This record gives sequence, C-alpha cells and structure tokens, in this order.
Amino acid sequence: ETGVTQSPTHLIKTRGQQVTLRCSSQSGHNTVSWYQQALGQGPQFIFQYYREEENGRGNFPPRFSGLQFPNYSSELNVNALELDDSALYLCASSLGQGSSPLHFGNGTRLTVT
Amino acid sequence: AQTVTQSQPEMSVQEAETVTLSCTYDTSENNYYLFWYKQPPSRQMILVIRQEAYKQQNATENRFSVNFQKAAKSFSLKISDSQLGDTAMYFCASGTSYGKLTFGQGTILTVHP
Repeated sequence: ETGVTQSPTHLIKTRGQQVTLRCSSQSGHNTVSWYQQALGQGPQFIFQYYREEENGRGNFPPRFSGLQFPNYSSELNVNALELDDSALYLCASSLGQGSSPLHFGNGTRLTVT
Repeated sequence: AQTVTQSQPEMSVQEAETVTLSCTYDTSENNYYLFWYKQPPSRQMILVIRQEAYKQQNATENRFSVNFQKAAKSFSLKISDSQLGDTAMYFCASGTSYGKLTFGQGTILTVHP
C-alpha cells in the first residue's frame, strides 16, 4: 500500500511569484484535503477535493486554488505569494466525503522571501 | 464556526509514567467528531485516537484513552506507560466530517528516560 506522497519537500519562492505543490493520494483514496500549518501553529483547512470537484473550502483567499485529477492526485496552486504564505503545506487523502480517517503526507515546506 | 483550544503549550513526563493533555472545543453542531493527532519531527500527522460525539463511551487505543465530557466540551488525552517514541507535538481537532478539521495550537510532549 503506497502512502500519501508530496512534492517537493522544500521550496523557496519570492514574494509575488506563483507556486504549485503536488500530492499523490494513498492507493484507493478518492478524497484529498489540503492544510496550511504556520510555524508553531496547528494546521488550518484550505480546501478538499472529492472526485475532482471542490468539496468545501476554509477561510483562504481565491489566490489559493486547487485541482484533482482522474487518478485522484491533486495540486495546490498559490498565486501572488505573500510572506505570510510561508508554512508547511500538508496534504491528506481519505476514502469518501467524510467518514474515513485522514492519511497525511510529510508536507511541503514553503519559504517566501 | 468551531474552535479548539489547547492550554498547555508544553508538557513533560518520565518514561513509563502517565500524562494527560487537555483540550476544550466549541461547536454549534450536534453531530461532530473529535481527534488527537501526533506530529513527530518527521512532520507527518498520525491519527492517535478518535471519538464520535454521539457515543458516550470514551475511546481507547492501547495506551491511549480519552476523557470526553460533552457538556463541558472537554476532550483530554491520557497516555499511559509513556514511551520515548511518544515524544512529539500533539494536536486536538474537531470537525463535522473527518476531512474538514479545526485544529488546536498543539502541545509539545517530551518523554524523558
């Protein structure tokens, strides 16, 4: 059974740039959730995708967008990067829309300078 | 909106002893779930234990158990026979589904030999 994998593991970008983070879900999972974890804080829910459709969104501006592909992998895109976007971005996969536990990846550490 | 509060930024315990981590939450929902997650230095969030709010019986998973007080909106985690591998950041979380969670600020637990 292949777990959740995220790429890249680390990334450094400049303010104003755009970034794409990638996530491969665990085998058999059709739902992907994305979270932002600032240093020393708990994760914050960004959005969830179920069968290629957005299925809920947290309190994040529209410059945070996502995609889910037919193989259930997912991308998180952030436009016009700000310094406060520096964080660990966690992807988690699960089966169905809400009754199975999340399986998290190891995250992507984004630094915006 | 849901809120989760962990009032203990740091805790420490001797190996083989018992420690309790505190968590309070606030929600207007009738049906919700509560979780404890562990995040070691590897950054991967690992599910420790979960509780469905409609169940009165406290959940247990081997050395981990919870004290769920629904009226008080309290959800503490007890770790018995603490092991060095329990050293990690622990997060309490709540949600109306497993995927869209609200996390607390975390408690750093250190187990000393």
